[in-house]
Amino acid sequence: GAVVSQHPSRVICKSGTSVKIECRSLDFQATTMFWYRQFPKQSLMLMATSNEGSKATYEQGVEKDKFLINHASLTLSTLTVTSAHPEDSSFYICSATGLGNTIYFGEGSWLTVV
Amino acid sequence: AQSVSQHNHHVILSEAASLELGCNYSYGGTVNLFWYVQYPGQHLQLLLKYFSGDPLVKGIKGFEAEFIKSKFSFNLRKPSVQWSDTAEYFCAVNARDSGYALNFGKGTSLLVTP
Repeated sequence: GAVVSQHPSRVICKSGTSVKIECRSLDFQATTMFWYRQFPKQSLMLMATSNEGSKATYEQGVEKDKFLINHASLTLSTLTVTSAHPEDSSFYICSATGLGNTIYFGEGSWLTVV
Repeated sequence: AQSVSQHNHHVILSEAASLELGCNYSYGGTVNLFWYVQYPGQHLQLLLKYFSGDPLVKGIKGFEAEFIKSKFSFNLRKPSVQWSDTAEYFCAVNARDSGYALNFGKGTSLLVTP
């Protein structure tokens, strides 16, 4: 069946550096992907909607210059956390919508900023 | 704007007890409704979903949910829980005019004791 893959699953970076997380739809095309963030023991919060070939739509309170989203192809969206700080440490999850509006989630990416 | 409320934040049950987790949403239009489960250390899994049709939806692992439109509710039920049902449960809503992005409730932590 359809699968959404995220990479890396875990990443540790130094404060002030940037880190890129990839989200791929493996056997279907996704014109729209979503990026969520989940703090420990909390719910998922929508960060942005990634649209293929156009700018992402960010939710209120999400800094678009800090969380850069690029949806360069129908199967790949990337989230780049720029100038990362310890408070950016979180679990980042992407999802893509396939046929019949079925939602597929990536495995998630644990980011730790030290 | 959509909102999703899960009233029970922490639930503790003994094995074989019946479960009902509440979920209410606020939205004026047509919505799709979901319940997800997140086992400790794992990513989200879809338990069940409602798009249209029979308001009583059966999902995996013996779970079911009933959509009551007049009450804006989509409560999750299971007649007899098992220790392995210990997990975090999230209710979520999406709609076409918000691009099908999922709006999650804050989650309910379920602990099933032997």
